[in-house]
Amino acid sequence: EVQLVESGGGLVQPGGSLRLSCAASGFTFSTYWMHWVRQAPGKGLVWVSRIDGAGRITNYADSVKGRFTISRDNAKNTLFLQMNSLRADDTAVYYCARSPAGRGGPGFDSWGQGTLVTVSS
Amino acid sequence: QSALTQPASVSGSPGQSITISCIGTSSDIGASNYVSWYQQHPGKAPKLIIYDVSDRPSGVSDRFSGSKSGNTASLTISGLQAEDEADYHCSSWTSLNILGLFGGGTRLTVL
Repeated sequence: EVQLVESGGGLVQPGGSLRLSCAASGFTFSTYWMHWVRQAPGKGLVWVSRIDGAGRITNYADSVKGRFTISRDNAKNTLFLQMNSLRADDTAVYYCARSPAGRGGPGFDSWGQGTLVTVSS
Repeated sequence: QSALTQPASVSGSPGQSITISCIGTSSDIGASNYVSWYQQHPGKAPKLIIYDVSDRPSGVSDRFSGSKSGNTASLTISGLQAEDEADYHCSSWTSLNILGLFGGGTRLTVL
């Protein structure tokens, strides 16, 4: 069974940093593109970033480019999101999600349960 | 990048059919066959119900169907049931397939 479990969320002050993790199991992690998607309270989903299976190709939404860094450790089946210079509008539940096999695009067929990040003083 | 446009809410009675639209541009929905739809119940993670415009993952009811015309994608739910009450989100990609887009989400109420 495919499982994605996020962790690392919490309360952080504006300008601070946080590192999210997503532990994957039940599939060959290194062969899948992975994504981070966030959802502010009461709002819609917003795509944040993606990374290819080897960890060589990354893409970011304009709103996080230069502040967030996506990475992965295939030996530990774990996806990361390093978030720096956090702002109040980064407050959201952050989900990790998996692309379909062989593709880097949408049709996210597995999602984690999400981890809440709150940016506030 | 701009989000895709969905109606904030739709409603229908049990047994009826409803359609949710998702409006994009010629740079995303109009240029891509990678439109997907997600169902999200309150406090839960999204669940994939339609991918590649009109395909259903295994286990998803055939009451859910997707289509696309030009820059607009649509999700139709037939034979509405109480458990269909949820938020529905559409997704696509930019024409260069390097940036993801979501709609703002549509709240479905089953009357």
